[in-house]
Amino acid sequence: EAQVTQNPRYLITVTGKKLTVTCSQNMNHEYMSWYRQDPGLGLRQIYYSMNVEVTDKGDVPEGYKVSRKEKRNFPLILESPSPNQTSLYFCASSTRTSGSNEQFFGPGTRLTVL
Amino acid sequence: GDSVTQMEGPVTLSEEAFLTINCTYTATGYPSLFWYVQYPGEGLQLLLKATKADDKGSNKGFEATYRKETTSFHLEKGSVQVSDSAVYFCALSVGGTYKYIFGTGTRLKVLA
Repeated sequence: EAQVTQNPRYLITVTGKKLTVTCSQNMNHEYMSWYRQDPGLGLRQIYYSMNVEVTDKGDVPEGYKVSRKEKRNFPLILESPSPNQTSLYFCASSTRTSGSNEQFFGPGTRLTVL
Repeated sequence: GDSVTQMEGPVTLSEEAFLTINCTYTATGYPSLFWYVQYPGEGLQLLLKATKADDKGSNKGFEATYRKETTSFHLEKGSVQVSDSAVYFCALSVGGTYKYIFGTGTRLKVLA
């Protein structure tokens, strides 16, 4: 089954404790992206990647890091989480033939930073 | 900068009612426009899209037309069902790039 998976689905942590949210897709997509969803703000793009070793900032990259060492994986790293990073996070992937391609979204990771 | 503005919800309708969710955008260049739907507890799914002016996207009885003159991409459905209850997001991809801008989402509740 074609899908985007994220782990963990739920995470409660404390301020300053480094964490990684994993994202993996099995569709051989070149493009992957991370979003956060907050009430009243919709989805905001954090980082995206056009291909292996190619990443770029979205609208809200502060406090996040990403890496793209393999085509299928695109982990989101919070080096020193803060309470304002409490949010619902989505990973997405698509082919890269144009910016009008459908994005396939993962099920989301709900992160709480105390 | 580029932006998407959606009507605020929630929108509550009776089954078989007509639905309109307004979406307007601001963009440089020629964006592609999308509607995504999010069912409770799930990720977003593409509902429909349009890539150039006057294009009409359609899927599952939903339609939206890319109106460049009014910078709009309103979502419509002639007869909603309880199963259409979800959050609907309007989005654009910035022309020539792979940056995506989403609206704030509109929650739709359909009552039997």
